[in-house]
Amino acid sequence: DAKTTQPPSMDCAEGRAANLPCNHSTISGNEYVYWYRQIHSQGPQYIIHGLKNNETNEMASLIITEDRKSSTLILPHATLRDTAVYYCIVRVGDTGNQFYFGTGTSLTVIP
Amino acid sequence: DSGVTQTPKHLITATGQRVTLRCSPRSGDLSVYWYQQSLDQGLQFLIQYYNGEERAKGNILERFSAQQFPDLHSELNLSSLELGDSALYFCASSPRQFATNEKLFFGSGTQLSVL
Repeated sequence: DAKTTQPPSMDCAEGRAANLPCNHSTISGNEYVYWYRQIHSQGPQYIIHGLKNNETNEMASLIITEDRKSSTLILPHATLRDTAVYYCIVRVGDTGNQFYFGTGTSLTVIP
Repeated sequence: DSGVTQTPKHLITATGQRVTLRCSPRSGDLSVYWYQQSLDQGLQFLIQYYNGEERAKGNILERFSAQQFPDLHSELNLSSLELGDSALYFCASSPRQFATNEKLFFGSGTQLSVL
């Protein structure tokens, strides 16, 4: 059901930028890209979302390619607390309001 | 704190039993979603309710059912429990029924252990 592809795991040095890629080659014109993260077994936490323009908030930046077939989540200065599983989600807009989570990327921030 | 409340946090029961998980959405949110997260399946969408009515179904077993009450809280009922039903169950809420530009807010989950 998931319409996204992410690497299963990544490492990042503390204080450096973490760049998490996501492929969504079958995305439709009105579908948004969302990023969530899950720390250990806590509930998924919203990070950011966008349609076609780059977005930035207090947590991260989202870069979406011009053809919208891929995106990158950027955590500008990763901390140990950013260690989590990061999910890239394309909302299934035409059959309801639900999110389908893929397997995500397990990000480990290394001291 | 997302504003979504789930109870209980932990539930231990035996095979064949029936349990009810409860979710209170954020104030003002009309849509409620249920997800199951097991070790080998990841986060699986189960079902969505909007203002008391079922709106979408995912990978929900026939032994499972849900409802949303007039005060907008929701309950997920799991019956004839099997060992494989052991999982984290998350509830999420959003303001409306169908808006592609809308976030979901997740609760902290109920850990169900079937022994």
